[in-house]
Amino acid sequence: TQLLEQSPQFLSIQEGENLTVYCNSSSVFSSLQWYRQEPGEGPVLLVTVVTGGEVKKLKRLTFQFGDARKDSSLHITAAQPGDTGLYLCAGKAGGTSYGKLTFGQGTILTVHP
Amino acid sequence: SAVISQKPSRDICQRGTSLTIQCQVDSQVTMMFWYRQQPGQSLTLIATANQGSEATYESGFVIDKFPISRPNLTFSTLTVSNMSPEDSSIYLCSVESNAIGPPGETQYFGPGTRLLVL
Repeated sequence: TQLLEQSPQFLSIQEGENLTVYCNSSSVFSSLQWYRQEPGEGPVLLVTVVTGGEVKKLKRLTFQFGDARKDSSLHITAAQPGDTGLYLCAGKAGGTSYGKLTFGQGTILTVHP
Repeated sequence: SAVISQKPSRDICQRGTSLTIQCQVDSQVTMMFWYRQQPGQSLTLIATANQGSEATYESGFVIDKFPISRPNLTFSTLTVSNMSPEDSSIYLCSVESNAIGPPGETQYFGPGTRLLVL
């Protein structure tokens, strides 16, 4: 069974601060997806990383996939209250085109004005 | 992307009863999945809904408790049977298809169904 360890579980910061969320595994993933979920809604896909060492930027969010495709990070610069939500990483095992995702435990981010 | 709707959005049910949750997609998709999520926590995959055949269940989930149908490529239902308070959770469907994104790289979720069992 593949596991994804996501940390930290909770993050409470002030507006303007930077933060990083980590997802680590001993297993290799063919791709890794990051989601953001707000209360009362389903997870919304932010980005997918597929290549080892890949870095993707989405405005103030920077996503990185580890060289060995076993870990990933999400860095938010100058956080804003609108960034508040549950952040989830999810990895897909290789071998098949479609497949179930293994989710991390989630990080609840609160950005205070 | 895909537009996914779920019905009902929320429900309060009595123990011992059953509830069927519907998931509708605005386009034909290859894969449909059903997840369970406790508020503020991560997602647990219940099963993969296979079109025209029996669903594939994950460890800890059985067909008698969570029967699933998928009559076509745009629709699926999940039934939570003989409910108990432990079944109180958010139930989410998701889809994946090469028509909406690279295979294995883009999975989209519905808004969820919030279930409370008394």
